[in-house]
Amino acid sequence: SQQGEEDPQALSIQEGENATMNCSYKTSINNLQWYRQNSGRGLVHLILIRSNEREKHSGRLRVTLDTSKKSSSLLITASRAADTASYFCATDAIHSGGGADGLTFGKGTHLIIQP
Amino acid sequence: SQTIHQWPATLVQPVGSPLSLECTVEGTSNPNLYWYRQAAGRGLQLLFYSVGIGQISSEVPQNLSASRPQDRQFILSSKKLLLSDSGFYLCAWSVGLRYGYTFGSGTRLTVV
Repeated sequence: SQQGEEDPQALSIQEGENATMNCSYKTSINNLQWYRQNSGRGLVHLILIRSNEREKHSGRLRVTLDTSKKSSSLLITASRAADTASYFCATDAIHSGGGADGLTFGKGTHLIIQP
Repeated sequence: SQTIHQWPATLVQPVGSPLSLECTVEGTSNPNLYWYRQAAGRGLQLLFYSVGIGQISSEVPQNLSASRPQDRQFILSSKKLLLSDSGFYLCAWSVGLRYGYTFGSGTRLTVV
């Protein structure tokens, strides 16, 4: 089953507004990452937050992590038309087998910034 | 600097034909390598990952296979494609799960 689930599935806002996307997950994690994907392109890593961190900033991005609720949020401030993309959260769910298991991605939030 | 190359960008193949997608990484040694598939409007599904030459782990049983003949080369293959194999295939590398992934630009595969 999907580890990460983004909410909402789609979000349309006006340029200049703030966009907030949420992610919930099910199992214990070491870290949670957010990625961006423009249509038909590969994913681009935006930000990583470790399980012992509660908030992290990178430019216009702000990520929060609440491990007690198993949830994270991505805030994009002062949105721009170029921010239009799909945004995915990904987790490294701790498996009993260890090793380099891959990240588990949610289905994504499609963000549309209207000029 | 590290780069990742993935090709081809698009591919249309008939059902029952073979498949070979290649991914190469430059500027790093002994990377962890991954193949993901993304169906339309869906999240990414991990297909294979590799921690070293000849070491392949499969996450989902299917008619695809992967090989890592060289440290920075990861190949996704199929002997006979199915319609359900259509999708967007992404290769990625990382130095470990506690670090971000770098993705290739993807291959859009359409099986007809």
